[in-house]
Amino acid sequence: AQKVTQAQTEISVVEKEDVTLDCVYETRDTTYYLFWYKQPPSGELVFLIRRNSFDEQNEISGRYSWNFQKSTSSFNFTITASQVVDSAVYFCALSEFYAGNNRKLIWGLGTSLAVNP
Amino acid sequence: DSGVTQTPKHLITATGQRVTLRCSPRSGDLSVYWYQQSLDQGLQFLIQYYNGEERAKGNILERFSAQQFPDLHSELNLSSLELGDSALYFCASSVDSGRTDTQYFGPGTRLTVL
Repeated sequence: AQKVTQAQTEISVVEKEDVTLDCVYETRDTTYYLFWYKQPPSGELVFLIRRNSFDEQNEISGRYSWNFQKSTSSFNFTITASQVVDSAVYFCALSEFYAGNNRKLIWGLGTSLAVNP
Repeated sequence: DSGVTQTPKHLITATGQRVTLRCSPRSGDLSVYWYQQSLDQGLQFLIQYYNGEERAKGNILERFSAQQFPDLHSELNLSSLELGDSALYFCASSVDSGRTDTQYFGPGTRLTVL
């Protein structure tokens, strides 16, 4: 079975603090993809990043960074110097094969991040 | 703005009724996915269409059906609605079903069944 675990249900921080959102996954696929999405209070789901299993380089995009560690099956997301606008629910997702060469996403339950002024 | 559009944004209806949710994918995207997000069950994959054909099925109830039209827009039909069907319904689109393309989501339709 393949699944995604986001153990932190809710996190509350004060503005400018750094915060790390954890994502642990299970898969038997040798080639797989991991994603992070953001869902702000307005409700839409916003794509943040996609990472394939062969690329273990960490990625940085502004205040956002992602740490992919295959050895521990983790794909953690860090926000540096958090801001109130970062308040949202963050979802980690894993792709899995379905019906041949098709893939579908398996989603974690999300981590609700509240950044307080 | 992801480029995926969904209508209507909000829908309020009564139990037993039938509704249709509409989705237009991003220009050039051939795959459309439908998801249901409820408070108690998180984000659940319902069904995927690729270029008009059903490609994958998830936790979609028999009371629900979907289709993708030649112009690639998709509709999700929900019938014999129950209180528990109240949820946020998302449509997403991607370029090609054969690879792991990124799914881009629409703004969602919030369905309330009274």
